[in-house]
Amino acid sequence: DADVTQTPRNRITKTGKRIMLECSQTKGHDRMYWYRQDPGLGLQLIYYSFDVKDINKGEISDGYSVSRQAQAKFSLSLESAIPNQTALYFCATSDYRGAGADTQYFGPGTRLTVL
Amino acid sequence: AQSVTQPDIHITVSEGASLELRCNYSYGATPYLFWYVQSPGQGLQLLLKYFSGDTLVQGIKGFEAEFKRSQSSFNLRKPSVHWSDAAEYFCAVLIYNQGGKLIFGQGTELSVKP
Repeated sequence: DADVTQTPRNRITKTGKRIMLECSQTKGHDRMYWYRQDPGLGLQLIYYSFDVKDINKGEISDGYSVSRQAQAKFSLSLESAIPNQTALYFCATSDYRGAGADTQYFGPGTRLTVL
Repeated sequence: AQSVTQPDIHITVSEGASLELRCNYSYGATPYLFWYVQSPGQGLQLLLKYFSGDTLVQGIKGFEAEFKRSQSSFNLRKPSVHWSDAAEYFCAVLIYNQGGKLIFGQGTELSVKP
């Protein structure tokens, strides 16, 4: 079984709808991240969480919210989806080793299309 | 400002030929550097990473990368490319004083000719 799973893998929705993307991990990592990928832009950080009670905004958090339900679960919500949120979304976890020496492991991604 | 630049958007090489993908970073502190690969329809897989020590690091699938502080570069190399190496490759730098976030380059798409 995969260490980092994302559901759904693909989703098509309409403008104005509320959407939740879910991420689960079995790696036992405390840190979790949500990124979005747009062609030609690489990945950009939306939100990150150090633990259940510590959630932080990333570079492009506007229009998104998150919930860390447990150490293993980190959900991303689009309260009112708009077409420019059409993208590939990745969840990642990291094994913090101190001194900033993290390694992030990525899920398979969720392809979201907003019509 | 921190940034990562991958100058080549798309590269085509023949199977069996050598490969070098370029990566330049801008970061004021000691960089922690990564290369990830994304196969079509797949997530990102870690190829290799540099934290400290030997500036030539070995990764999976026969890849290696060399950290050159004087050139702010972390180029990825492979001596003989296989058709299965066709994918998109991302270089990233870890910003550890900002939650450990990764700053990614734009990616380089690799095509392999038979």
